[in-house]
Amino acid sequence: EVHLVESGGGLVQPGGSLRLSCAASGFTFSDHYMDWLRQAPGKGLEWVGRIRNKFSSYTRDYAASVKGRITISRDDSKNLVYLQLNSLKSEDTAVYYCARGHLHSSTWSEDVFDFWGQGTMVTVSS
Amino acid sequence: QAVLTQPASLSASPGASASLTCTLRSGINVDAYRIYWYQQKPGSPPQYLLRYKSDSDKRLGSGVPSRFSGSKDGSANAGILLISGLQSEDEADYYCTVWHNGGWVFGGGTKLTVL
Repeated sequence: EVHLVESGGGLVQPGGSLRLSCAASGFTFSDHYMDWLRQAPGKGLEWVGRIRNKFSSYTRDYAASVKGRITISRDDSKNLVYLQLNSLKSEDTAVYYCARGHLHSSTWSEDVFDFWGQGTMVTVSS
Repeated sequence: QAVLTQPASLSASPGASASLTCTLRSGINVDAYRIYWYQQKPGSPPQYLLRYKSDSDKRLGSGVPSRFSGSKDGSANAGILLISGLQSEDEADYYCTVWHNGGWVFGGGTKLTVL
């Protein structure tokens, strides 16, 4: 069974940084892209960024709203994906989700965000 | 103007069908896009429902009832999520997304009320 568990959320001061982790299990982690998304309180979903897998050279894509402040990384040996977000603003307050992205190995799947973690809340406030 | 526009709310009766739309901005042709749909209930993460590009390029998510289906309305430049035989458990927020200009873009979501 696929499981994604985020951690690292909490209260952060404006201008500060956060590093979130997402532990994956139940699937071949190294075969998949991994994505981060967020949802501000009472608002809709926003994609934050993704990291491709080794097959796709670990390249990254980031949303314009966070570009320059964000780094997504992964450790395939530990089935972990990370989100580092700097220069935090009040508008970064949200539940942050990791989600499974495309399968890209010897095969390709168009399915995306087919599994999500429960999310971790980040509050940016002084 | 947003890339994807969804009506904020929709109401339908149990047993009826509900058609949720995801309209692409003028100048962006729906035919070129694979549209994904997600359901989110309060306090829970979203769940994958399906993806639809054409009748030959579509897939229902694992475990998703066949009451859920996707289509497109080219004249309206929109993707459609059709839920037939509505049940009280279908009451939720529904989001569409597409890959556009190097990133995933979401619609604002539709709150479906079943009453």
